[in-house]
Amino acid sequence: LAKTTQPISMDSYEGQEVNITCSHNNIATNDYITWYQQFPSQGPRFIIQGYKTKVTNEVASLFIPADRKSSTLSLPRVSLSDTAVYYCLVVGGGFKTIFGAGTRLFVKA
Amino acid sequence: GAVVSQHPSRVICKSGTSVKIECRSLDFQATTMFWYRQFPKQSLMLMATSNEGSKATYEQGVEKDKFLINHASLTLSTLTVTSAHPEDSSFYICSARETTSGGNEQFFGPGTRLTVL
Repeated sequence: LAKTTQPISMDSYEGQEVNITCSHNNIATNDYITWYQQFPSQGPRFIIQGYKTKVTNEVASLFIPADRKSSTLSLPRVSLSDTAVYYCLVVGGGFKTIFGAGTRLFVKA
Repeated sequence: GAVVSQHPSRVICKSGTSVKIECRSLDFQATTMFWYRQFPKQSLMLMATSNEGSKATYEQGVEKDKFLINHASLTLSTLTVTSAHPEDSSFYICSARETTSGGNEQFFGPGTRLTVL
């Protein structure tokens, strides 16, 4: 299972763009990169998933370089409600998902 | 996206009793479900992988006789905490992977807060 490394915490202000980078040096060929958001006392919520290059949806963008050894979650114009823990996971088809420590994002007014 | 529910959302029990937590995939079939435990300000820790129609696979250090898992159908998995003790108090979260559409997305339940007195 590929191990992921993320910053433990990040601070930002409302309206700013936030980029959270995750390293996964031993990612396998059939692994996908998935990001989840978790609020206190709630289950993780799926944000975005990608395999390579760039993926964008209505809430975030995911940038993955050609070597796929890292990825960056980009949250445009964050608000106070984006304060949460963000997890980067590497998921290989059908296999169990192991969570790393995650990144605690704190958005200030 | 697909929905996973858990019941109950919160339970308080006395030490020594058993508690059952249900995890359901509401609009998709899940041959595999996962059970996690999360302590305050910590990450999710995988406890076991639940496979429909077969025995669960437990992670190292997780007592299979204490945490009984049953995955009797493609939409329901249950976790029973037997002879619960205060140290079992935690936030239990299940998840299911939706694979019929060819995707690789994992959906999580809202969690169950267990408090053992």
